[in-house]
Amino acid sequence: GIQVEQSPPDLILQEGANSTLRCNFSDSVNNLQWFHQNPWGQLINLFYIPSGTKQNGRLSATTVATERYSLLYISSSQTTDSGVYFCSKNPGAQKLVFGQGTRLTINP
Amino acid sequence: KAGVTQTPRYLIKTRGQQVTLSCSPISGHRSVSWYQQTPGQGLQFLFEYFSETQRNKGNFPGRFSGRQFSNSRSEMNVSTLELGDSALYLCASSGSETQYFGPGTRLLVL
Repeated sequence: GIQVEQSPPDLILQEGANSTLRCNFSDSVNNLQWFHQNPWGQLINLFYIPSGTKQNGRLSATTVATERYSLLYISSSQTTDSGVYFCSKNPGAQKLVFGQGTRLTINP
Repeated sequence: KAGVTQTPRYLIKTRGQQVTLSCSPISGHRSVSWYQQTPGQGLQFLFEYFSETQRNKGNFPGRFSGRQFSNSRSEMNVSTLELGDSALYLCASSGSETQYFGPGTRLLVL
């Protein structure tokens, strides 16, 4: 089946640091989305990025579809950035396939 | 626009019981998908409804079922609950390529 691999599984940083999260796909990158799961469990949309680069404040994402990976960059991390970050692809009919997530902990 | 809403937010049931969860999508969205999240299996797709029709189904037993109403609100039902059904159940609505998730329902089966 379709594989979505995220790395690293865990990341612990100090406030103010920068971080890069990676998502690899075994198949073509379709309708890629990045989410942040907050401590209450809700998945918050960060980016819909099937290709190219997008930026939103301190966050940016790049997808290289030809090489089947996507990167999420977080600059000047804040404690509120803590949580689990997921990438997903949509092979069709709104059926998202998720990676196992990267748990990010930002210490003050 | 109001976001996706799910009710109830928390639920405790015992083995053998059944449960119904509700999801109201973003206004204008016709697609509603359901996902189960557990520590062991991660986020897994349950099923997706569009205009009251199930378009796609994940690899879950028949105890898991759902439906969608004409106003796009959706319900999912789990019959004969098992301990392993304890999970966070998330629904998502979509108007195009992007899915927007609700806050989830935490189900604990004792």
